[in-house]
Amino acid sequence: DTVLTQSPALAVSPGERVTISCRASESVSTLMHWYQQKPGQQPKLLIYLASNLESGVPARFSGSGSGTDFTLTIDPVEADDTATYYCQQSWNDPWTFGGGTKLELK
Amino acid sequence: EVQLQESGPGLVKPSQSLSLTCSVTGYSITSSYRWNWIRKFPGNKLEWMGYINSAGSTNYNPSLKSRISITRDTSKNQFFLQVNSVTTEDTATYYCARSLITTRFAYWGQGTLVTVSS
Repeated sequence: DTVLTQSPALAVSPGERVTISCRASESVSTLMHWYQQKPGQQPKLLIYLASNLESGVPARFSGSGSGTDFTLTIDPVEADDTATYYCQQSWNDPWTFGGGTKLELK
Repeated sequence: EVQLQESGPGLVKPSQSLSLTCSVTGYSITSSYRWNWIRKFPGNKLEWMGYINSAGSTNYNPSLKSRISITRDTSKNQFFLQVNSVTTEDTATYYCARSLITTRFAYWGQGTLVTVSS
């Protein structure tokens, strides 16, 4: 299976720029997607196909990357962005998720 | 707008079967898309379990292939998950979700917690 590795946690101040990384154990082309999950809620799709903003998602969120290295950027970070962020690949079956990066605001 | 809602028992005994229902409103499951089950373990790991597509074909995660079955009732616009021979390691929040061919999960249910315990 394709393993997706994310840093466990990050802490930033409101108004700053934050980058969340996701590294794949093998190429996933650009079939990488990003989700935000808040406690007690279902995951919410933010970015699809590495760099496409899902409808209704603020333009503060952006994605980049291809192959094995991907990044989700939030600029500027707001208090409401406190959540866990997951990457997910759909190039290799079975589809897999990263372990999640918990974003905390200082 | 499409909405998905999971339902089923919150407690299952070890060695028994886990059965969940996903009720879909706002879109026919026979029209298009793939209809998935995903679970989130207590440690926050997410696992894709499998899907049934609009034609009724299925695809399962090989790690679960021998134990799971995804079926549907098109008259009720519902699809189902069954996991056999459960253990405590199947304790998780179970989500149903709709995906495109690119298998990004754009619509999710609220999730339902299933605990496996005697």
